[in-house]
Amino acid sequence: ETGVTQTPRHLVMGMTNKKSLKCEQHLGHNAMYWYKQSAKKPLELMFVYNFKEQTENNSVPSRFSPECPNSSHLFLHLHTLQPEDSALYLCASSPSGSPGLDGEQFFGPGTRLTVL
Amino acid sequence: QQQVKQSPQSLIVQKGGISIINCAYENTAFDYFPWYQQFPGKGPALLIAIRPDVSEKKEGRFTISFNKSAKQFSLHIMDSQPGDSATYFCAASRRAYGQNFVFGPGTRLSVLP
Repeated sequence: ETGVTQTPRHLVMGMTNKKSLKCEQHLGHNAMYWYKQSAKKPLELMFVYNFKEQTENNSVPSRFSPECPNSSHLFLHLHTLQPEDSALYLCASSPSGSPGLDGEQFFGPGTRLTVL
Repeated sequence: QQQVKQSPQSLIVQKGGISIINCAYENTAFDYFPWYQQFPGKGPALLIAIRPDVSEKKEGRFTISFNKSAKQFSLHIMDSQPGDSATYFCAASRRAYGQNFVFGPGTRLSVLP
């Protein structure tokens, strides 16, 4: 596969469940990102990893826990979520997240999460 | 100060017409302004981007106009086509902080055949 893939594409979970979202990029990039996309709201940057190190945590509640075991994989572990956490969760990658650079972020198709 | 405002929320244009989407920002430290296009069921994809040292950038039918003094930038889609129907997001970032984009809320464009 090429590009950025995300699994699962759809997830329904109860408030007491524990689940994980997976993102994989096949582009040789060194930076990976998690975004939350809610209806009629801007994309919200949640976490940034650059060369496997977390460089940004945008005041995200601790019920969301990211993990980046290597530059190609990114996980978002979910536990004790609330109904307002229902959204599309997008993963993205870029060649580097280092300061002083700009460039394209490549997005996956997202995981549609519903919390009951 | 970290917000990027975007208008209109939705836009309907006839085929062949010009689509114009406007964005405004407050943080004068922003120095990179991309536009992303998102089709249903897909993630956003980079369309075109501009730095504040130029006032306009054109790629095919897509043009960004940038007004640094007004802290505004806009996307113009010339000869709009039904295949352009998508949601468009403007964004801004400070290159000194890496690619931590602040996105606008999006504009849903519908181009009628």
